[in-house]
Amino acid sequence: ILNVEQSPQSLHVQEGDSTNFTCSFPSSNFYALHWYRWETAKSPEALFVMTLNGDEKKKGRISATLNTKEGYSYLYIKGSQPEDSATYLCAHYNTDKLIFGTGTRLQVFP
Amino acid sequence: DVKVTQSSRYLVKRTGEKVFLECVQDMDHENMFWYRQDPGLGLRLIYFSYDVKMKEKGDIPEGYSVSREKKERFSLILESASTNQTSMYLCASSLLRGNSYNEQFFGPGTRLTVL
Repeated sequence: ILNVEQSPQSLHVQEGDSTNFTCSFPSSNFYALHWYRWETAKSPEALFVMTLNGDEKKKGRISATLNTKEGYSYLYIKGSQPEDSATYLCAHYNTDKLIFGTGTRLQVFP
Repeated sequence: DVKVTQSSRYLVKRTGEKVFLECVQDMDHENMFWYRQDPGLGLRLIYFSYDVKMKEKGDIPEGYSVSREKKERFSLILESASTNQTSMYLCASSLLRGNSYNEQFFGPGTRLTVL
């Protein structure tokens, strides 16, 4: 198993704060890095799929960057809202399957 | 919208019982996956399949088997359930084999308790 590590494990922020999390993955034989959001009582949903070094993707207040040479990706949330509360998972693609990190659990307090 | 459905949201079984977890996707996806999620361990892949009657072991296949008789349906089987198989089970599907760009679509999960 090729390790995918996420930090921090959990995060509590106030509404309006901006925040970011880290995903690190093996940098050799890189194909793709996926980010998913998993809200309580719902299914995980894809946020971004990133394939190119230097990629930056954005969806509303959420954005992600990718550095394949050093093996990390950052997820940023600008002006966090209570509805952003979820577990954020990253996953590294390896031979037909995804290797998931353990996730960062974000709680945004009003 | 892609829909992935799982047969039960909650299931309680006894040690030694044979357990079937069913998953159906409605978008003609080639790939289907079974994961389990445990606190502090993230999503771990049990088995996956990229075609009818094909199966590949994931990272933790011991104690499980799978069946894919039709493209849209992927079943996870616990031959003799044990208490350490108490977990949340998630099914997922994605479009094409070997395409790293395809996102996975997840079902709602089945929370299985083995007593």
